[in-house]
Amino acid sequence: QVQLVESGGGLVKPGGSLRLSCAASGFTFSDYYMSWIRQAPGKGLEWVSYMSGSGTTIYYADSVKGRFTISRDNAKNSIYLQMNSLRAEDTAVYYCAREFWEVGGYNGMDVWGQGTTVTVSS
Amino acid sequence: QLVVTQSPSASASLGASVKLTCTLSSGHSNYAIAWHQQQPEKGPRYLMKLNHDGSHTKGDGIPDRFSGSSSGAERYLTISSLQSEDEADYYCQTWGTGIRVFGGGTKLTVL
Repeated sequence: QVQLVESGGGLVKPGGSLRLSCAASGFTFSDYYMSWIRQAPGKGLEWVSYMSGSGTTIYYADSVKGRFTISRDNAKNSIYLQMNSLRAEDTAVYYCAREFWEVGGYNGMDVWGQGTTVTVSS
Repeated sequence: QLVVTQSPSASASLGASVKLTCTLSSGHSNYAIAWHQQQPEKGPRYLMKLNHDGSHTKGDGIPDRFSGSSSGAERYLTISSLQSEDEADYYCQTWGTGIRVFGGGTKLTVL
């Protein structure tokens, strides 16, 4: 079945780095845009970044621009988030999600993973 | 600036109906949105895409109890015949080129 599984979260010191992974299965991964979204403890959802299926289109939220890098390996059905210069305010559960496009346009994020937790603390 | 606004909380009784609201910012009243549900301690689940004219496309397996409607800049999610498992946070999401925007979420309590 269609599934997304995140991994790579953990505890990291301020200023440190972490690389998150999201493994996809059950669909033709290269056909889909993918997003990263995060949720700070007790807070709402915040979009972080998205990438097109070919990898040629990439956008970031202002809060992470210049510090985070999204990438993908379509041969491995995986998308990644390299997080550098981490701050306490980056502490969150990080989700990957599939972006649902049809002929009529964009329909939202239709498949979500279960999330991986990132804690930035000294 | 593209923003969507939601009331922080709502409540309704078991078996009743509830209507949640998502309001698009000025100048964006013709934008579509998506609704997502997040049950406690779980990842979000896609419910539907809702267009400015009220037409909507639901995600796989979403019960008929969930429906959407629109009026001007307001987008609504109506849940009928409320069940205990509907107690969750509900997020609306909109988008533009290079941006995805979430509302702050509405916490629904089923009494």
